[in-house]
Amino acid sequence: QSVLTQPPSVSAAPGQKVTVSCSGSSSNIGNNYVSWYQQVPGTAPKLLIYENNKRPSGIPDRFSGSKSGTSATLGITGLQTGDEADYYCASWDSSLSDVFGGGTKLTVL
Amino acid sequence: VQLLESGGGLVQPGGSLRLSCAASGFTFSNYAMSWVRQAPGKGLEWVSGIIGSGVDAHYAGSAKGRFTISRDNSKNTLSLQMSGLRAEDTALYYCAKGSFSGSFNELDSWGQGTLVTVSS
Repeated sequence: QSVLTQPPSVSAAPGQKVTVSCSGSSSNIGNNYVSWYQQVPGTAPKLLIYENNKRPSGIPDRFSGSKSGTSATLGITGLQTGDEADYYCASWDSSLSDVFGGGTKLTVL
Repeated sequence: VQLLESGGGLVQPGGSLRLSCAASGFTFSNYAMSWVRQAPGKGLEWVSGIIGSGVDAHYAGSAKGRFTISRDNSKNTLSLQMSGLRAEDTALYYCAKGSFSGSFNELDSWGQGTLVTVSS
């Protein structure tokens, strides 16, 4: 049981937009930044979003992040087949540990 | 940036193992480092992190009291000493670099992982 709650799966057609939600509490998301990672099966995770809504260099602006209260959302526009992956949110927790969501599998139909 | 993990393998329940991560391509002492694991077919779990200077470290509840993270900034090496291993510790263990000295939440570079299997 993950501390942060994500939907197990989302899907959309190529070119469309999809959002992935991440729900936490005041112990984590409510008082700390949220990061998002993309993991293509068989590969290491990659940082997509940090500090709620910032993109590392090289990450296209099709990827966006937002936070409101104790929840965060990852948005992906102009979906491509290469976006098929598992997506994880993460936040620092008052237990002095980082916590991840359970992951969301994105299928591009 | 390159992170190369080693030290994984098969260990019996209750046994110990030491993982290492050789870092290159950046000023190692300027960045926090973390271990993140992924059990087969499961999601990511942060295990432990240590700040750039090495004077402060944190652990997930599952690792507290059994695992010890350390770093040698003179050798650009991160380590994770694991003891009292259980079947549920079976996972691919990633070494990951924080985006600044005290960051455990923004992991901007990852190794390819080393597999730990705990089984009799």
